Amino acid sequence: ELKVEQNPLFLSMQEGKNYTIYCNYSTTSDRLYWYRQDPGKSLESLFVLLSNGAVKQEGRLMASLDTKARLSTLHITAAVHDLSATYFCAVDLTDSWGKLQFGAGTQVVVTP
Amino acid sequence: NAGVTQTPKFQVLKTGQSMTLQCAQDMNHNSMYWYRQDPGMGLRLIYYSASEGTTDKGEVPNGYNVSRLNKREFSLRLESAAPSQTSVYFCASSRHGTGELFFGEGSRLTVL
Repeated sequence: ELKVEQNPLFLSMQEGKNYTIYCNYSTTSDRLYWYRQDPGKSLESLFVLLSNGAVKQEGRLMASLDTKARLSTLHITAAVHDLSATYFCAVDLTDSWGKLQFGAGTQVVVTP
Repeated sequence: NAGVTQTPKFQVLKTGQSMTLQCAQDMNHNSMYWYRQDPGMGLRLIYYSASEGTTDKGEVPNGYNVSRLNKREFSLRLESAAPSQTSVYFCASSRHGTGELFFGEGSRLTVL
């Protein structure tokens, strides 16, 4: 059974500082996804990581994937208030695309 | 461009009542999914449809049925609602050969 663990589950950030969210998963997979969810809203795709060593960056967010360590990180550079949200990582369960196993989510609150 | 549309957005049921959640996508995606989101548990896959005419169980299918009416539409039915089915339900779709999901706005269901 594939398990996906995120930590921390809650992250209080100060504006301007750097932080990292970790996503560990239990079985072999080279397909990992990051999503963002604002309170009461839907999920928005942030990054799709499809190979070992993949690195994607968008603005202040950078995601990477180490399939050998079964670890993905989401790095936030110089946090700003607009980044307050819940971030989920998810891993494909099998060869059938889209059957994702989600982590529990990391709630991020950015304060001045 | 509507993307993935779900109806209704809110629903309150009594235990034992039935209802159907409707989902339609206009992105010409082959695959569609139903997930439920509960606090602290991320999202869990209920059912999915890899292509028109096919459906399969996900992680938590008990108490639910689905219909892939055509390529655009994928409905989720609760035949006899239970309080444990109180949740937020998300429909999603994806292009063939990719696990990147595009989510609807969600349907908040309360079963009393």
